[in-house]
Parts: sequence; C-alpha cells; structure tokens
Amino acid sequence: DARVTQTPRHKVTEMGQEVTMRCQPILGHNTVFWYRQTMMQGLELLAYFRNRAPLDDSGMPKDRFSAEMPDATLATLKIQPSEPRDSAVYFCASGSLGTGGSPQHFGDGTRLSIL
Amino acid sequence: AQKITQTQPGMFVQEKEAVTLDCTYDTSDPSYGLFWYKQPSSGEMIFLIYQGSYDQQNATEGRYSLNFQKARKSANLVISASQLGDSAMYFCAMREGRDKIIFGKGTRLHILP
Repeated sequence: DARVTQTPRHKVTEMGQEVTMRCQPILGHNTVFWYRQTMMQGLELLAYFRNRAPLDDSGMPKDRFSAEMPDATLATLKIQPSEPRDSAVYFCASGSLGTGGSPQHFGDGTRLSIL
Repeated sequence: AQKITQTQPGMFVQEKEAVTLDCTYDTSDPSYGLFWYKQPSSGEMIFLIYQGSYDQQNATEGRYSLNFQKARKSANLVISASQLGDSAMYFCAMREGRDKIIFGKGTRLHILP
C-alpha cells in the first residue's frame, strides 16, 4: 500500500532551535498539504502545494514558518526560531488533482514538543 | 469565520445504537466536496466517506452514510450499529475550489459497552 511518509515521528527540542519536518507524498499525487493539530484549534491548514507550486500559505505564521517542495518526492516544513506554542502534531497529506472525490492520504504525523 | 462547524465536542453512545455526527458548512462555491475522517487514539487519519456537491444520492460506505442536505448546508455522518472500535475523533472536512481542504474541530465519539 502506498503511504505518505513523514519524518521524524517525534521531535523534542529547545525554544529557539530550527525544526525541519519532511514529507514524502504518495508517488503520482500532485497536491501536498501541511496541517497542524492541537487540542484547542483542531486541524489547521498551514499550507498547500499543487504540482510543487505553493498555492496558499495563509494559515502559516510567515515570520517563522516556511514550506517548500524542492522536488516531487519531498515537501518540507521549517520553523525558525521555534517557540513553545509551536508544540503540536504536524500532518502532511497528499492527493490527486482533478479527482474531486479522491481523499487526501495522511502521513502518521510529526509530534513536536518545544521546551 | 468557521467554514466547517461540528457542534458536538463529545458524544456517548451505547454499543449497537446508530450514531449521527453533525456537520454544517459554509461556502459560496457551487462546486465543493465533503469528507469525513476518523482519528482513533493511535493518531492516524482514516478516510471514511465523500459527498460531492452535485451528487444526487447520499453517499454510503458500509456502515457509514452521509446525510447530505444541501439547502441546509449540512453533511451529517451516520454510523449504523455502532461498535466499540468506532470510539474515536471524527472530522468533517470540505474541499473548496479544486483542492483546498479544510477541517472542522471534530467530535469525540465514545461507544459504551
């Protein structure tokens, strides 16, 4: 079964450190999404890409977060500098454009703790 | 403004009973899609069911059905004959435009033995 792969699965680091999360979307999928899940806010859409082009990153704090897709097999989400309020589970999901009923496939998430 | 509203933060239901999880949405786009996902305590997101805005029939997948009332902008998930394994967080989501998908805050469902 094809899967979205996220690394690392867990990350604990100190405030101020740079954090990089990686995502390998399912081969052939042309949309990639980054979500952040917290108890208070639920699942928030941070950014998404279509054919590697960023389409919407309005959900992302621009001063510290950045999302890129250097190639079709890799999407990255960076936080620099990290803050305790960034502690959350970050999910990557991929999907197929033009197939409206095609669901997103989610990775297992990166559980991030900023001390 | 919230575009996906799930008004039930938590629900307790007796095993074998049917469950209805509420979801209302807001969009001005005539073409949209509605999804339901299940998130068990292990954390993974599991796709359950999809309804397109132009679909005439309500979607069904096994024990899951989607009660789509377009005029009311509601897309409730119905689980028939609930099982202990249905205990999880359930998210309603909407596709706006071609592929932007946003989620509601979820409903935590507890199935009681």
